[in-house]
Amino acid sequence: AQSVAQPEDQVNVAEGNPLTVKCTYSVSGNPYLFWYVQYPNRGLQFLLKYITGDNLVKGSYGFEAEFNKSQTSFHLKKPSALVSDSALYFCAVRSLNSGNTPLVFGKGTRLSVIA
Amino acid sequence: ETGVTQSPTHLIKTRGQQVTLRCSSQSGHNTVSWYQQALGQGPQFIFQYYREEENGRGNFPPRFSGLQFPNYSSELNVNALELDDSALYLCASSFGGTNEKLFFGSGTQLSVL
Repeated sequence: AQSVAQPEDQVNVAEGNPLTVKCTYSVSGNPYLFWYVQYPNRGLQFLLKYITGDNLVKGSYGFEAEFNKSQTSFHLKKPSALVSDSALYFCAVRSLNSGNTPLVFGKGTRLSVIA
Repeated sequence: ETGVTQSPTHLIKTRGQQVTLRCSSQSGHNTVSWYQQALGQGPQFIFQYYREEENGRGNFPPRFSGLQFPNYSSELNVNALELDDSALYLCASSFGGTNEKLFFGSGTQLSVL
């Protein structure tokens, strides 16, 4: 079975500081990993994905994520946070080896960037 | 903004009633997935339609059913509503029957009283 854990319900960071939103996963076979962001009263928006290759993946709005196979983690990062980054962030996973299985989402982490 | 539109945006029903939610997929997309997002939780997969056929289903009872039309728009029907059905229902479109990059609508907030 596939699962995602986002250990922090809330992350607070000052504007201009680096931010990290944590994600660990469990999946059979090789993982296909995603980050999505949800702004108030909006649907989820795709940020980035990892299939294979370079462990550091770059995505939208200056976000990047680092895949670590040994730690089964896929943490989301940004070097300098903006107030406009405040939103709900979801990590998602599916197995690459199990056909077209659906995405499994974590519970989400609320990021608050303080000016 | 994605090109995925959902209607209505909000809905209030009473227990035991039936509800139909609608979704128009992004232009060029032939796959629609439905998710249920309860308060404080991540989206939970309900089912997916590809070329008018259901091609994947999550752990939801049969009273959750759907349709996809020739223009690839979709409906989610829920019969015999229960209080726990109160949630944000999200529609996502993609191409080729896959779960690659999903484009989500803004959702329908369903409240069951």
